[in-house]
Amino acid sequence: SQQGEEDPQALSIQEGENATMNCSYKTSINNLQWYRQNSGRGLVHLILIRSNEREKHSGRLRVTLDTSKKSSSLLITASRAADTASYFCATAPSGNTPLVFGKGTRLSVIA
Amino acid sequence: KAGVTQTPRYLIKTRGQQVTLSCSPISGHRSVSWYQQTPGQGLQFLFEYFSETQRNKGNFPGRFSGRQFSNSRSEMNVSTLELGDSALYLCASSSQGGENTIYFGEGSWLTVV
Repeated sequence: SQQGEEDPQALSIQEGENATMNCSYKTSINNLQWYRQNSGRGLVHLILIRSNEREKHSGRLRVTLDTSKKSSSLLITASRAADTASYFCATAPSGNTPLVFGKGTRLSVIA
Repeated sequence: KAGVTQTPRYLIKTRGQQVTLSCSPISGHRSVSWYQQTPGQGLQFLFEYFSETQRNKGNFPGRFSGRQFSNSRSEMNVSTLELGDSALYLCASSSQGGENTIYFGEGSWLTVV
């Protein structure tokens, strides 16, 4: 079963706009991670936020985490065509269990 | 530092055959995980090896197996291939595995005809 679920499944925006993706998960976690996948390629790690953090920034990325709601959001500001990809959240129910990924949000940024 | 390397990149097999996929992790990483990705099911965890021992296993039939060598390189094998095994198989490595950040290879595209 999926630990994390991203929403929306697909998102299409114009270049320069902001993109927001959400992730909900089921069990308590120590951290939540976001990954990006370009079509047919491997996933690339974007950012990790720990359960005691509420917000984290990395360049044009902003991640928030609300452990009371078991949800996270990924904001990409000033989107570029190169941001077109699928974005996945990943969590692990406990320290030595493997990361479980949601089905991802497909982001299309139109130039 | 070289990334995770997976071979072969693309392969086509016939139903009933078997296939072996290879993964070389980032130098120094002892954990190797395998995932299957299909359009319908998304990313499904297959198994994780840490220091040559299988530490975690996903919900896949026994046709799917793996192993890890003393140099941390890993292989996965699928026997008696079925059409539904067509997928992108992704290998990921990390220093500790589990909930820590993992680094993916480019994957092996398997098509079963």
